[in-house]
This record gives sequence, structure tokens and C-alpha cells, in this order.
Amino acid sequence: DQQVKQNSPSLSVQEGRISILNCDYTNSMFDYFLWYKKYPAEGPTFLISISSIKDKNEDGRFTVFLNKSAKHLSLHIVPSQPGDSAVYFCAASDGGATNKLIFGTGTLLAVQP
Amino acid sequence: SAVISQKPSRDICQRGTSLTIQCQVDSQVTMMFWYRQQPGQSLTLIATANQGSEATYESGFVIDKFPISRPNLTFSTLTVSNMSPEDSSIYLCSAPAQGTEAFFGQGTRLTVV
Repeated sequence: DQQVKQNSPSLSVQEGRISILNCDYTNSMFDYFLWYKKYPAEGPTFLISISSIKDKNEDGRFTVFLNKSAKHLSLHIVPSQPGDSAVYFCAASDGGATNKLIFGTGTLLAVQP
Repeated sequence: SAVISQKPSRDICQRGTSLTIQCQVDSQVTMMFWYRQQPGQSLTLIATANQGSEATYESGFVIDKFPISRPNLTFSTLTVSNMSPEDSSIYLCSAPAQGTEAFFGQGTRLTVV
């Protein structure tokens, strides 16, 4: 049972345009959500997070939106740059003492120059 | 942010043998996590390694197959035992940062032949 889903395995956008990566979850106990970026042959790198008490968090070119009623979050990258090309994973936590993260399957973003 | 060093970065192993992966964190952390990423799949948590106690394994993972050591607050090892081609994956260790964010090592790409 996949509790965190990224239904788009890949996305291609032009440099300078907006990239929108989507993530859905099923467990209503999740209260903290994160996005990670992963380049080949490297470990995932933390990008941005959002608590369930918020609906938006912004950090530079990256903004994460959370719609709790729809159990949906999205990552917006504006403007997209070729260096943003990577696999993006969303992850969720129920905030328990274990700090366990449940990851989605990832979306490969390709930003075309 | 924590720096996590993981080795080896990659290995090719014969079936039936075992491989031990090492993970070193540059600061003391209470918990360390071991993940597996099978080809084309998400990151799946194998176990949580706590210093001074036995690791806690997730459903589908057992200590006999993936023994873990946690001798101190900065180091952990994961052994993949009696390997088969199905164990070919990327293995990642991680440690929590502030809040729920986690930092990852660069991963160990294991190929079993």
C-alpha cells in the first residue's frame, strides 16, 4: 500500500518556465511533508518542507503548497533552471518519536535549455 | 547540517556472499536510518538504528538478512547477508537534522551477480 504517491514519473519543462511537481498521500496522520532532490550517484538532498498547520512555504525559487482536505501537496520551481534537472521525491512523516519518513516514487524533472 | 559519509560507494558482489556498508556522521545523533532504493522504486526504510539497543526493523526486513550495528552515536553499519540478485539496490543511511528533516549519505550502489 503506497501511502505517498507521485503519479508523474517524469516531467519536462523549458528553462525559465514553472515546474510543478505533485504528490498525494493517503494517511491523514501525516503532519509534516518534505521534498528531496536526488542527482544520480548521490544521496537525496533536502529541499523544502511544510508543516500541516501551514498551506504554503516558500524558499527562494521553491514553493511548496499543501491542501490537507485533498491530501495533496505540490512543489513549484520558478524559474526553472537546467541545474534543477534531477529526481524529486516527496516524503511524509507522522511526527512520531521515530522521525520515520515515507517516500513517494519520485518524479524525474528535465529542464530543457 | 550534518555530513554523512558512506562507504563503499559501489560494489559488485557474488551471490551468497555478504557486504557490510559503513556510515559515519560528523556529529552525534540519536537515531540513524537505513533505506533501500530498488531500481525504479522509492526509498524504503529498512530499519532504525539506535545506539545501545537493537535496531527496529520495518515490515518485510529481518535482522538475519540485514544485521545492523550501532556502536556509538556517530557510526553504524548495515550488512546485506547471503546476497542474491534481488538485493541489487542502492542502500542509503540517513540521520535526522533539526525537526523532521533528514540528511543522507551518498549511497552504496550494490550489484549482485
